[in-house]
Amino acid sequence: KAGVTQTPRYLIKTRGQQVTLSCSPISGHRSVSWYQQTPGQGLQFLFEYFSETQRNKGNFPGRFSGRQFSNSRSEMNVSTLELGDSALYLCASSLAGLVGYNEQFFGPGTRLTVL
Amino acid sequence: AQTVTQSQPEMSVQEAETVTLSCTYDTSESNYYLFWYKQPPSRQMILVIRQEAYKQQNATENRFSVNFQKAAKSFSLKISDSQLGDTAMYFCAFLSQGGSEKLVFGKGTKLTVNP
Repeated sequence: KAGVTQTPRYLIKTRGQQVTLSCSPISGHRSVSWYQQTPGQGLQFLFEYFSETQRNKGNFPGRFSGRQFSNSRSEMNVSTLELGDSALYLCASSLAGLVGYNEQFFGPGTRLTVL
Repeated sequence: AQTVTQSQPEMSVQEAETVTLSCTYDTSESNYYLFWYKQPPSRQMILVIRQEAYKQQNATENRFSVNFQKAAKSFSLKISDSQLGDTAMYFCAFLSQGGSEKLVFGKGTKLTVNP
């Protein structure tokens, strides 16, 4: 079974631009979560999508948005990029929706650099 | 809101020795999950071990075991017979039970296993 894939793996943008990152979950997984990882703040939860609906949202400004498609693939968008948005963006997928615990599997991440 | 604290930013251990990584957390919930994730250099985050809060027995996975003290809100990871491949960032994480896949992470401990 293929793992979680994220594209692109590396991205360089300039301040003020916008960017779209993509995440393809493991086949059959319906939940996709996004995290931002920086040296200063660590890993912070951005949002989670389940069955095309945002189910949970972290404490990030409205410049950060996401969506999920009917095939469970998810995209996140950051508009008006700032230097502080430079980070590793991780997505994780899980079966979810079932009783009990469902392991989250992480992708390799997209390294975003804002100049 | 839940918080997770890892008080050891960096640790090192000699190959074949035992090392313990510390983690404390704060929550008002009684049912939840705790995890240790491993992030090797430039590689994907993987789950090392998990603990359900309702279980008194400490979880073990081969060379990895935890010491879960619910009343003290402490969750440490013991790695026995350390191997060079254990060199990585280790993150302690908290997950509420039911309805959300939002993981709350500690800042991480960088573990180096020396030959």
